[in-house]
This record gives sequence, structure tokens and C-alpha cells, in this order.
Amino acid sequence: DAGVIQSPRHEVTEMGQEVTLRCKPISGHDYLFWYRQTMMRGLELLIYFNNNVPIDDSGMPEDRFSAKMPNASFSTLKIQPSEPRDSAVYFCASSLLRTGGENTEAFFGQGTRLTVV
Amino acid sequence: AQKITQTQPGMFVQEKEAVTLDCTYDTSDQSYGLFWYKQPSSGEMIFLIYQGSYDEQNATEGRYSLNFQKARKSANLVISASQLGDSAMYFCAMREDYDRGSTLGRLYFGRGTQLTVWP
Repeated sequence: DAGVIQSPRHEVTEMGQEVTLRCKPISGHDYLFWYRQTMMRGLELLIYFNNNVPIDDSGMPEDRFSAKMPNASFSTLKIQPSEPRDSAVYFCASSLLRTGGENTEAFFGQGTRLTVV
Repeated sequence: AQKITQTQPGMFVQEKEAVTLDCTYDTSDQSYGLFWYKQPSSGEMIFLIYQGSYDEQNATEGRYSLNFQKARKSANLVISASQLGDSAMYFCAMREDYDRGSTLGRLYFGRGTQLTVWP
């Protein structure tokens, strides 16, 4: 498997523009996470899905942020309109949850470095 | 309340020495998993090691071991024989396995410890 695939790797956009980040999780994984990483706030969980259903979106900072998972192999994180304070690295991760002690680490994508000017 | 606390923003260690990175966690669950990730300057998140709450033995993966003290709720990462390539940010994470409807499967991360290995 190619791992978690995120696109684009880098995005520079102007304030007010719409930005869409994309993620393809590892095949068969039933959890998908979107994280944002900044120097000030560290690694923040924005939203996560189980079997394509959003479970917890309490980390989404504002209504400008939205995330979808239309099927098991694709998710998007959209920011509209974007602001300079949204500049960060956005990670997508996927995992397979098994109870009973079996290792189920989350595999991370390479991240998307977003710069809003 | 913080689920994961990493009290060392930065650590320094000489090459070939061992180093311990601290992590404490907060949960009332009996079933949970603990993870360590490495993030080098290139930015990717690399899984290192896992410890289940019911595991009686400390987890080991090559030069990495996890010093699991359940009663103290600590899960320190020990890196033996440090190498220059170990210089990176290290994150401790926890997953609670009890389903409260909105937390099952969720990974909580600490703020990280920046490790620098010097020659």
C-alpha cells in the first residue's frame, strides 16, 4: 500500500480564497483524522471519521472549515474563506481500530503545508 | 484537562548515550493504547512504538523501549545508543478504547519534545 496520500503537498493562496485539501486513506482503514500543526498550538485534532461518518468535529475552529468523506477512500478538508491565521501544516491520518490489544497505530500522510497571504 | 503531558520541550543527548523522554497521561479507562511518534525536520510523522494498557511487558522496538508505569500513568520513551539521526520532535499519544460515542478511536497527542543528539 502507498500509505496515506495527501494533496497538494504545498499550497499558497490569497486571503479570502477557498482552499481544498485532499486525503486518500490506507485501504481498509475505518478511521480518518484531520490534524492541524502549528508552532503555537502544536498538533490539534480538527475532525475524525469512522466508516465515513464524522464522529467528532469539535476541533474545527470555525464555520469556515468543513470536512467531508464521501466514501471510504477519499476525504476533503475545505477552508472558505481562508485567512492568514489558517497557515499551518494539515495532516491526514488513518487507522484501523481493533479492540483486544492489537496494535492500531495511525498512519500519517506527508501533510499539506498551507500558506495564506 | 490535558490528556497527554510532555513536560520536556527540549532534550539534549550525546551520541551513543541513552535518553528518556517523559510522557504522562490522563484517563479513567481501563483499556487504552499509548503511542510514540517521531517527526524529523522533514515533517513526516513516523510511528515508533505501541503499548497496550493490558500489556504486562514493556514494549520494545529495536533501540526504542517504552517504560510503562500504569499506576503512575506514565509512558516514557527510552532511546538507547542515540544516533545523530534521532534528532527530531517526539510525540506521545493515547487512544482510549471505551466507547463514549465521540471519543472511540480518537488519538490525543502531547505537545512534543524536541530531541537534539550531538556528536
